[in-house]
Amino acid sequence: AQTVTQSQPEMSVQEAETVTLSCTYDTSESDYYLFWYKQPPSRQMILVIRQEAYKQQNATENRFSVNFQKAAKSFSLKISDSQLGDAAMYFCAYRLGNAGGTSYGKLTFGQGTILTVHP
Amino acid sequence: DVKVTQSSRYLVKRTGEKVFLECVQDMDHENMFWYRQDPGLGLRLIYFSYDVKMKEKGDIPEGYSVSREKKERFSLILESASTNQTSMYLCASSPGRTLHFGNGTRLTVT
Repeated sequence: AQTVTQSQPEMSVQEAETVTLSCTYDTSESDYYLFWYKQPPSRQMILVIRQEAYKQQNATENRFSVNFQKAAKSFSLKISDSQLGDAAMYFCAYRLGNAGGTSYGKLTFGQGTILTVHP
Repeated sequence: DVKVTQSSRYLVKRTGEKVFLECVQDMDHENMFWYRQDPGLGLRLIYFSYDVKMKEKGDIPEGYSVSREKKERFSLILESASTNQTSMYLCASSPGRTLHFGNGTRLTVT
């Protein structure tokens, strides 16, 4: 079974600084996707970034980027120029690739990391 | 924008009650999911459905059942609520690659 581990229950960062959230996963599959989701106090889960395992290039979305180390099974999220609105719970998640049939949406989530942003 | 609506934001029920959590999506997505969120455990998949009247167990189906009579609606049923089912419940729908979540129902069983 696949597992996802976020070893940092809480992290904090000063506004405008950079912070990195860690995630490791365990799988024997070669075709999969990795995600970072953000959950602010409103509870609405928001997709931050997605990485396809077959792509060597790290995904980037504006101030958010990932460091995807496939051999090490590591998938960290870097938030640059942190803003007060980035404060939230962040979840790392894994899903089998498209060959998994009805696996769409069957995500395996990590425990979550609460990010606090100090002004 | 995709809208996934969960009927209740907060719910308080008594032990032994039958509880229905409702979820409706407005984008004709085939796939719908129920997750449970607990501190320190993240989100765990309870059940999912990839078509009307079709359902599959997720990782923690015990004590739950689901119903999908119409494509847009996916209901989670607690046949006899217990205190260990006190949790946040998140519904999601998906056309394929991306999950769209509702705002969650915080259920307390006393």
